[in-house]
Amino acid sequence: EAQVTQNPRYLITVTGKKLTVTCSQNMNHEYMSWYRQDPGLGLRQIYYSMNVEVTDKGDVPEGYKVSRKEKRNFPLILESPSPNQTSLYFCASSFGVGGNYGYTFGSGTRLTVV
Amino acid sequence: QKEVEQNSGPLSVPEGAIASLNCTYSDRGSQSFFWYRQYSGKSPELIMSIYSNGDKEDGRFTAQLNKASQYVSLLIRDSQPSDSATYLCAVSGSARQLTFGSGTQLTVLP
Repeated sequence: EAQVTQNPRYLITVTGKKLTVTCSQNMNHEYMSWYRQDPGLGLRQIYYSMNVEVTDKGDVPEGYKVSRKEKRNFPLILESPSPNQTSLYFCASSFGVGGNYGYTFGSGTRLTVV
Repeated sequence: QKEVEQNSGPLSVPEGAIASLNCTYSDRGSQSFFWYRQYSGKSPELIMSIYSNGDKEDGRFTAQLNKASQYVSLLIRDSQPSDSATYLCAVSGSARQLTFGSGTQLTVLP
């Protein structure tokens, strides 16, 4: 089944403890992206990647890191999480440039930082 | 001004009626337009895409695009309770990244 897999689905952590949210797609998509979703603010792009070893900042990159060492994987790293990073996170992938083809989204990761 | 704006709702329609969802965008260079449906606690699901002016129909859904007015809409005919969800408008602008609106919450009343 074609899908984007995120893990974990739920995560509660403490301020300052480094964490990684994994994202993997099995559709050979070139383009991958991370979004966060907050009430009233909608989906906001954190980082995106056009292909392996090519990443760029989205609208809200502060406090996040990403890497794209393999085409299928695009992990999101929070080096020192803070409570304002409590949010619902989505990974998404697409053929070519994401804006032309629409995205396939993962199931989401609900992160709480206390 | 937000790049992509939607009425947040909530919008309530009776079962069987037409639901009309609207979206405006600010980037005149935008070329691709999408509607996503998101059920509570779930991920967004692509339901319609439109790239040129006019109407595009897919089953009970019709997307309408007017680039001159920078306006895109989604009509849902014969609305069903299962259509109750938040509908997200997404626009690919000059930077070729998808920008999402805040979403319109639709409730279809039995």
